[in-house]
Amino acid sequence: EVVLTQSPGTLSLSPGERATLSCRASQSVSSYYLAWYQHKPGQAPRLLIYGASSRAAGIPDRFSGSGSGTDFTLTINRLEPEDLAVYYCQLYGPAFTFGPGTKVDIK
Amino acid sequence: EVRLVQSGGGVVRPGGSLRLSCAASGFTFDEYGMSWVRQVPGKGLEWVSSSNWNGGTTGYADSVKGRFTISRDNAKNSLYLQLNSVRVEDTAVYFCARGAWELYFFDNWGQGTLVTVSS
Repeated sequence: EVVLTQSPGTLSLSPGERATLSCRASQSVSSYYLAWYQHKPGQAPRLLIYGASSRAAGIPDRFSGSGSGTDFTLTINRLEPEDLAVYYCQLYGPAFTFGPGTKVDIK
Repeated sequence: EVRLVQSGGGVVRPGGSLRLSCAASGFTFDEYGMSWVRQVPGKGLEWVSSSNWNGGTTGYADSVKGRFTISRDNAKNSLYLQLNSVRVEDTAVYFCARGAWELYFFDNWGQGTLVTVSS
């Protein structure tokens, strides 16, 4: 079973800055099966990125995904206060697995 | 607009049973696999179970296998999760989500429903 790790655990940045979130798989995986979600407290998770780099419907282009093999990145450009959330990567292979999450704090 | 509206949930004693429901609208329900994902308070997201479009293929996390059962009624555009032999560690917010093995991700989510297992 593939294990996902995310770093950092918490990221504290100011509005307008860029956030770089990392997701690492314990073995090489197909980028086709890698997705990212935003989860705000008290709300349903929201799909941001699928297939490692494709933006989901309605997601601003401030959000972008990249990576392959074992290393994947979610980048949030021009941080806004509303981006305060926990961000999870998720993989299919062969079960559905979520990473532990990265909390993004806005200073 | 895709909508997933959940019901069920509540307080149940250890060893008891509960059924969660998820009513879908805004899309052709029987064209999609569906899944359940949970979040233990203060913890991350955990996949629980998935069903393909007709319920013919299902999958479960090891933590719930043999205790939980996913099902769907395409005539009613509804997804269900039957929780049996519940444990304290099953206490969580449960989300239904659109997607399973045809998408490999979950593109729309219900609002979540809290299940509390306590004596």
